[in-house]
Amino acid sequence: QVQLQQSGPGLVKPSQTLSLTCSVSGGSISGGGYYWSWIRQPAGRGLEWIGRLYTSGYTKYNPSLKSRVTISGDTSKNQFSLMLTSVTAADTAVYFCAREPVAGTDNWFDSWGQGTPVIVSS
Amino acid sequence: DTVMTQSPASLAVSLGERATINCQSSQSLLYTSNNKNYLAWYQQKPGQPPKLLIYWASTRESGVPDRFSGSGSGTDFTLTISSLQAEDVAIYYCQQYYSSPVTFGQGTRLET
Repeated sequence: QVQLQQSGPGLVKPSQTLSLTCSVSGGSISGGGYYWSWIRQPAGRGLEWIGRLYTSGYTKYNPSLKSRVTISGDTSKNQFSLMLTSVTAADTAVYFCAREPVAGTDNWFDSWGQGTPVIVSS
Repeated sequence: DTVMTQSPASLAVSLGERATINCQSSQSLLYTSNNKNYLAWYQQKPGQPPKLLIYWASTRESGVPDRFSGSGSGTDFTLTISSLQAEDVAIYYCQQYYSSPVTFGQGTRLET
């Protein structure tokens, strides 16, 4: 059974960079059959897909965030990370990592991390 | 982006009764080459991540009780809980994966 464990700071100052890591156990981020995504949820609102890491190391981002987002993987640690630069209060949200079973170009999410609440404030 | 609209925003159903949640997409989610609808449903309880219930519009994820069912095609979809249990109180989201970026509905709050 795959498990996704998130880590990273819960408070980031405006204009700085948000950094989160998702450690995967029970499965390999470099193995076939799955992509690895980040999703966020502002308080009291719906879910927004941020981007994904492919097993090849290639990435794809939501155009709404593309200029500020970097997702990377570390296969030696079996973890993947999110960096979001130049944050503002609008980036305050709960951030989730999630696994996508590969059924097509885009997919559903069958396993999720526990969520990391991130507040952007000075 | 494909806009997903859920209705109602909130719903109160008595225990043991049927609950029906609707989801409408701004474009068809039916891929004609494989006759599949690219839609998933999730359940989210307070302080928890979303839990996958259904994908391909009507395929239940392993371990999901059979009182949960999904139906619909094209642009109109429904999640039905046949007999509401206390543990089903949650917010429910639909998600399309037909086009990138994937997008979610705004959620339906289900209460007793």
